[in-house]
Amino acid sequence: GNSVTQMEGPVTLSEEAFLTINCTYTATGYPSLFWYVQYPGEGLQLLLKATKADDKGSNKGFEATYRKETTSFHLEKGSVQVSDSAVYFCALSAPNTGGFKTIFGAGTRLFVKA
Amino acid sequence: GAVVSQHPSRVICKSGTSVKIECRSLDFQATTMFWYRQFPKKSLMLMATSNEGSKATYEQGVEKDKFLINHASLTLSTLTVTSAHPEDSSFYICSARDSRTGQQNEQFFGPGTRLTVL
Repeated sequence: GNSVTQMEGPVTLSEEAFLTINCTYTATGYPSLFWYVQYPGEGLQLLLKATKADDKGSNKGFEATYRKETTSFHLEKGSVQVSDSAVYFCALSAPNTGGFKTIFGAGTRLFVKA
Repeated sequence: GAVVSQHPSRVICKSGTSVKIECRSLDFQATTMFWYRQFPKKSLMLMATSNEGSKATYEQGVEKDKFLINHASLTLSTLTVTSAHPEDSSFYICSARDSRTGQQNEQFFGPGTRLTVL
C-alpha cells in the first residue's frame, strides 16, 4: 500500500542554520506530494505541494522537489528562524488510495534556538 | 484561500456524556470532509470520510456507533463522540475538499478541537 516515511525528530537547530527534513514515499500511480506545518495547539496548514515529477514546491523560504527516481520529497530551508519551530508532516494523495485520501508521515518536530 | 472552521476549539466533558464537534467550510462547498484524530506528538489518523447526503465511510478499527458522523449540507459535517470516556480524549481535526475545483487531491484543514474527558 501507499506510505510516507519521514525522518524522526526532534530536530534542533540554531537560528539561520540550514534545514533538511527527509521524506520518502511508496505509492502506485502518480501521487501528489505535500508538506504541512502544525504550530503548537493548532491544526495543519499547507506549506507547499508538488503534483508531478520534477515539480518544485516553495513557500516562505521552504522548498521541496518531487523526485520520482528516488521517490523523495525532502523539505529544505536555507536559513531557519525561531518562528519556524513546529511539527512538519510530509503527505501524499493519490487516486488509488480510496478516493484521494491523504496519507501522512509521522511528523518531524523542529526546534529552532535563538 | 479556502477556510475551514471547527467548533468548539476546546471541550471538557464528564465520562459518559456525548460531545458534538462541528466542521464548516466557510467560503466553499465541500461534498467530502474528513475526520482525523491526533494523539500527543503523533501523526494524524484518518477516522472516516464524510460524504454529503450519504453515510460516512469509516476506517478499519474505528467504531461507527462511537463516532457518529453527519454531513447534512455542503458546508457542515458533525462528529459526535457518544458516551465519551477518558481514552477518547484527543485532538480531533477535520478537513474538506472544495467541490468546485478540479483539485481533488487537496484538502483544507480546520484548526482542530481538543477534547478532554474527565
